[in-house]
Amino acid sequence: QVTLKESGPVLVKPTETLTLTCTVSGFSLTNPRLGVSWIRQPPGRALEWLAHIFANDEKSYNTSLKSRLTVSKDTSKSQVVLSMANVGPVDTATYFCARMSTGTYRSFDYWGQGTLVTVSS
Amino acid sequence: DIQMTQSPSSLSASVGDSLTITCRASQSISTYLNWYQQKPGKAPNLLIYAASNLQSGVPSRFSGSGSGTDFTLTISSLQPEDFATYYCQQSYSASTWTFGQGTKVEV
Repeated sequence: QVTLKESGPVLVKPTETLTLTCTVSGFSLTNPRLGVSWIRQPPGRALEWLAHIFANDEKSYNTSLKSRLTVSKDTSKSQVVLSMANVGPVDTATYFCARMSTGTYRSFDYWGQGTLVTVSS
Repeated sequence: DIQMTQSPSSLSASVGDSLTITCRASQSISTYLNWYQQKPGKAPNLLIYAASNLQSGVPSRFSGSGSGTDFTLTISSLQPEDFATYYCQQSYSASTWTFGQGTKVEV
């Protein structure tokens, strides 16, 4: 059974660094056909893809946010970590991690439940 | 970056109706187009991948078509549980991906 679960702070102050963890089960982070992305959704707004980590540890980032994002993984813990530097109120959103499969044309076939992060002083 | 534009942004429908949502890419993406359904407070759920392939477990009343820059999601005989927001997503790029702005299907 494939599952993903996000964890991290509920509230972050402006200018701080947000760190979120995605713990996965039911698949391996070293499977070359799979990867994990972070996607966010501000309240009442659309989905925005943020970052991705491939099985070979290559990373990719949203062009607009690249300077503020870092994604990494710990395969021994089955965890993928996203860091976002210098957050502001516009970063208030529900953050999802999702599995991407090349078997389904690079679609996101499994998602975590999401975690709501509020940026406020 | 490839931009995805959905239309309409919202629509009203009734149970039993058939409806179509459109997604347009800013450049050709072949059939690298996926559709998701999202209900309030929930994570998105993959409906269709590669423009027209139904994800396992998804009812057959959902169908997708298109290639290049223009794509459609059709729901035939709308059911009460289909009232939700639908997103398209391009996966043509090897390493960066984008979603449409969403289409809310309301009663």
